[in-house]
Formats: sequence, structure tokens, C-alpha cells
Amino acid sequence: GQQLNQSPQSMFIQEGEDVSMNCTSSSIFNTWLWYKQDPGEGPVLLIALYKAGELTSNGRLTAQFGITRKDSFLNISASIPSDVGIYFCAGRNYGGSQGNLIFGKGTKLSVKP
Amino acid sequence: NAGVTQTPKFQVLKTGQSMTLQCAQDMNHEYMSWYRQDPGMGLRLIHYSVGAGITDQGEVPNGYNVSRSTTEDFPLRLLSAAPSQTSVYFCASSYSGRAVIDTQYFGPGTRLTVL
Repeated sequence: GQQLNQSPQSMFIQEGEDVSMNCTSSSIFNTWLWYKQDPGEGPVLLIALYKAGELTSNGRLTAQFGITRKDSFLNISASIPSDVGIYFCAGRNYGGSQGNLIFGKGTKLSVKP
Repeated sequence: NAGVTQTPKFQVLKTGQSMTLQCAQDMNHEYMSWYRQDPGMGLRLIHYSVGAGITDQGEVPNGYNVSRSTTEDFPLRLLSAAPSQTSVYFCASSYSGRAVIDTQYFGPGTRLTVL
């Protein structure tokens, strides 16, 4: 089946630093989504991307849908302690009869005050 | 709106026991799905439903059954629990699951341990 490679697996950074993470796929996606999961909670949608080349911001977060439609990245600027959590990318392909999400394995972010 | 609710929040089972994880949403969403989350594995789709009376298998359906008799509810049944089913289970819903612009909302999860 389709797989997403998400990197890095974990990051330990100083408060105020910028963060960058990315996802790549062996197949094309029509939608890229980025979720954040806090401990003990379900994932919450941060940013959704629907067009190749699209660059979208949500506060300090910026994400891009790669031109090849096989990759996406998420940047967090000036990190703060509440950015701690696990970030997941997810792709959706509308080929065939399914529009289900495929998730990456997550990037665990730790922020040192 | 309560959004997506899941019960129970925690559950411990013995091997071979059966149980049902409950999921409900009050947003009139057509699409509902169940995922399991294991350490280092991300979220994997178990079963999904595009509307009442319609269900289909996801990536890891073995050992699980679902039904969708109403728009609001989408229970997940474990017929004979196995230790490999120890995981955190998330239910999610969205308006249609096929629209280009569509957001999936996740429940808070059920943490299941099978001894």
C-alpha cells in the first residue's frame, strides 16, 4: 500500500528556534494535511493543502504542497513550549473509490524553555 | 456540539474477550472512520463508512467488525481480543470523505490493553 516517509522522527530544540519537517511519498496525492497531537488527545488539523505548489500559513506555521505532488513540508517559526507534541502529515488520493487518509509516522517535537 | 465522542477512554481486556468501542458524532457527518495508533507507526485505517448502511475495510481490518445503522454512531467491535490489538483507537468523522475540501475531526481516543 501507499506509504508516507516523515522526517525527522524526533526533534529537541530550544525555545525560539525555527522547526522544519517534511513528508515524502512514492505516489501522488491530491491533498496534503498536517495534524498536531497533544499527549492523550486526538490529532487536530493544523493546515490543509489542496493544490500543487500551494503555500499556506496558519500563524507561525507554514506548509507547502510540493510541485511533484509527492511531498510536503511544515515549518514552525519561533517555537514556544506549547508547540510540543507529535506532528503528523497525511495524504489523500482520490483515485479509485476511496478518499481515505494515509498518515506518516509522526515527528515528535520537544521544546526546551 | 460535542463533536466526536468515544467511550470508554480506557479498557483492559483478557485474550479472547469481546468488546465494542463506541463512537458518536453530532455534526451530521456522512463519513466516519476508525484508526489505530501504535508507537512509531502513525495512524492506520481499520474500517470506514461513507454513510449509514455502508462500510468498508481499511488498511488493517482483521479482527475488527463495524456497522453503521445510523449517521451518528459507528461502533467498532473486537470479537476475540488478542494482545496484538493493544493500541490507542481513534474515531474520526468528516462531512463526506470525498470532497476536495474536507476536514476530519478526531475523537479523544480509547486506550485498549489486551492481556
